[in-house]
Amino acid sequence: AQRVTQPEKLLSVFKGAPVELKCNYSYSGSPELFWYVQYSRQRLQLLLRHISRESIKGFTADLNKGETSFHLKKPFAQEEDSAMYYCALTPYNTDKLIFGTGTRLQVFP
Amino acid sequence: ETGVTQSPTHLIKTRGQQVTLRCSSQSGHNTVSWYQQALGQGPQFIFQYYREEENGRGNFPPRFSGLQFPNYSSELNVNALELDDSALYLCASSLDSGNTIYFGEGSWLTVV
Repeated sequence: AQRVTQPEKLLSVFKGAPVELKCNYSYSGSPELFWYVQYSRQRLQLLLRHISRESIKGFTADLNKGETSFHLKKPFAQEEDSAMYYCALTPYNTDKLIFGTGTRLQVFP
Repeated sequence: ETGVTQSPTHLIKTRGQQVTLRCSSQSGHNTVSWYQQALGQGPQFIFQYYREEENGRGNFPPRFSGLQFPNYSSELNVNALELDDSALYLCASSLDSGNTIYFGEGSWLTVV
C-alpha cells in the first residue's frame, strides 16, 4: 500500500534550535517525494522536492531509500518557520499526491 | 499569487443535497486535481483531469464527479451529501505532468 507517515502531530522548538520533521513512506516502486508547507491563512505550497536536491529557506531533505524516509531538516529554526508541514509522495509517472497527516511546527522566540 | 481560485470559500449543505464547487486554474494549466482534507488529516486525492478527460481517481465513490472545461476551469460535484463529506476541498493545477502543482485556498463544506 502507498502510505506516508508523519509520526509527530506537533513539534515545538525555540528560535535557533535545530529542527527535524520526520517522514516515512511505504511504496514499492520509485516515488517522488515532496514537502509542502501551509503558513497561517495561506494556501498549501511546495517547499521542496527530492529530485531538486536544493535548500529552500534553509530547509533540506534527503531521500533515504533504505529507511524509506524523507525527513525535513533545518539547523536553526526561525519564528517565521511556524507552519503546518506535509510530506507527500507521487507514485512513478503520476501526479497523484499522497499526503501524510502533517506536523505543526511551532517556533518560540 | 498562484492564480488558482476556488469558489465558494464556505458553504453549508443539508444531508442528501448536492453541491458544486468551482475552480479556476492558471491559464495553460492542462492538469487539475481535487483533494478532500478532513479536519486534522492530510489532503486525500479525489480525482484528476487532463485536457477535459478524467485521468486518475482515488478511493472515492461515484457520487463524487468532476468536469474540466476548455477555459481551464473545473468543477467538483458531490451528490447525496453525507455528514462525513464535511471537509476542505482543494483544487490543484499544473502545466503538465511532472511540473509544480499549485493549490487553491479551498472551499470549506459543512454538511448538517
